[in-house]
Amino acid sequence: SQKIEQNSEALNIQEGKTATLTCNYTNYSPAYLQWYRQDPGRGPVFLLLIRENEKEKRKERLKVTFDTTLKQSLFHITASQPADSATYLCALARSSGYSTLTFGKGTMLLVSP
Amino acid sequence: GAVVSQHPSWVICKSGTSVKIECRSLDFQATTMFWYRQFPKQSLMLMATSNEGSKATYEQGVEKDKFLINHASLTLSTLTVTSAHPEDSSFYICSATGTGVNEQYFGPGTRLTVT
Repeated sequence: SQKIEQNSEALNIQEGKTATLTCNYTNYSPAYLQWYRQDPGRGPVFLLLIRENEKEKRKERLKVTFDTTLKQSLFHITASQPADSATYLCALARSSGYSTLTFGKGTMLLVSP
Repeated sequence: GAVVSQHPSWVICKSGTSVKIECRSLDFQATTMFWYRQFPKQSLMLMATSNEGSKATYEQGVEKDKFLINHASLTLSTLTVTSAHPEDSSFYICSATGTGVNEQYFGPGTRLTVT
């Protein structure tokens, strides 16, 4: 069966450090992968999309890598700030229904001052 | 950026009653809208996908007669929870996407509590 795995344990880091979150998947061949941020009691906010033929994507302090051989994406936040504290969700496009996504459970990031 | 609103943001209803949740795309035409449910500390679970002017496609295990979805225009979709029961209490979130767009823009969510 298809699975998306994100580290369920919260990631605690100090302000200024780089946070790295992992998304692993099995039994998928996604055309693209997306990362979202979700704050408590709020809807997710789109951050980045990376396609299967792209290795890396950057946006300001954010960087995403996509390894279709390892079936893994890494999400990096450089120079992290307390305001970056949130849950980060990985989402994969389904093969049927191009815009339909399946979400991982998310990893909570806590950045302490 | 693309803005999606939801109304109400929270609602409490009695068991057996129906509740309607509205999802609007404010500054773009939403060709496709999605409805999700999220339980505490769980991921978003897709309930249904709707395209403007056509019937919604429901995920396996989601009762289409219980969760009525209407996508009557390019800016509005509604989810009606009929004959609500306490186990329907959850956080309901809609999202929308436009033509040629792969990312989804989410509403702020609706917290439903059925007593």
